[in-house]
Amino acid sequence: EVQLLESGGGLVQPGGSLRLSCAASGFTFFTYAMSWVRQAPGKGLEWVSTISGSGGGTYYADSVKGRFTVSRDNAKNTVHLQMNSLRAEDTAVYYCAKKKWAAAGQDWFDPWGQGTLVTVSS
Amino acid sequence: IQLTQSPSSLSASVGDRVTITCRASQGISSYLAWYQQKPGKAPKLLIYGASTLQSGVPSRFSGSGSGTDFTLTISSLQPEDFATYYCQQLNSYPFTFGGGTKVEIK
Repeated sequence: EVQLLESGGGLVQPGGSLRLSCAASGFTFFTYAMSWVRQAPGKGLEWVSTISGSGGGTYYADSVKGRFTVSRDNAKNTVHLQMNSLRAEDTAVYYCAKKKWAAAGQDWFDPWGQGTLVTVSS
Repeated sequence: IQLTQSPSSLSASVGDRVTITCRASQGISSYLAWYQQKPGKAPKLLIYGASTLQSGVPSRFSGSGSGTDFTLTISSLQPEDFATYYCQQLNSYPFTFGGGTKVEIK
């Protein structure tokens, strides 16, 4: 069974940093891209970032480009999201999701982890 | 690419046929997925490739469309289908989502 488990969320002050992790199991991790999607309280879904299976390709939403960095450790079946210069508008539940390819095209996000809450507030 | 879902919410009864539409601001071929999300839970994939039902998803769910106009149909609404539904385009980065459609009990 494919499982994704996020961790690392919490309360952080504006301007601060946080590192999220997503531990994966049940599939050949390095052959799949991984993505992060967030959902602000009471709002819809927003794609944040995608990383290719090798880690050589990374993609970001404009809203986080230059502040967030996605990486992966294929030896540990884990993907990370380093979040710097955090703002109040980054407050959200952050989900990781499995995706076959980093490239755009016929693909989908499945499954999703249970999410981890990030709250940016003073 | 912007995705516009309609309606943003609807009230329906068990057994009703429900249709949700998703319109893309430019053509996205069939690179569209639909997800279901229940309160406090992660989204769940229902349909990919605009019309391919994900394994394990009940056959009362169906998707259609290509280019810019897409629909998600629930042929006979069941109690467990009350949730929020999102479309997502995977034609090009950024992988945008529609604003969601909340299906409530009438």
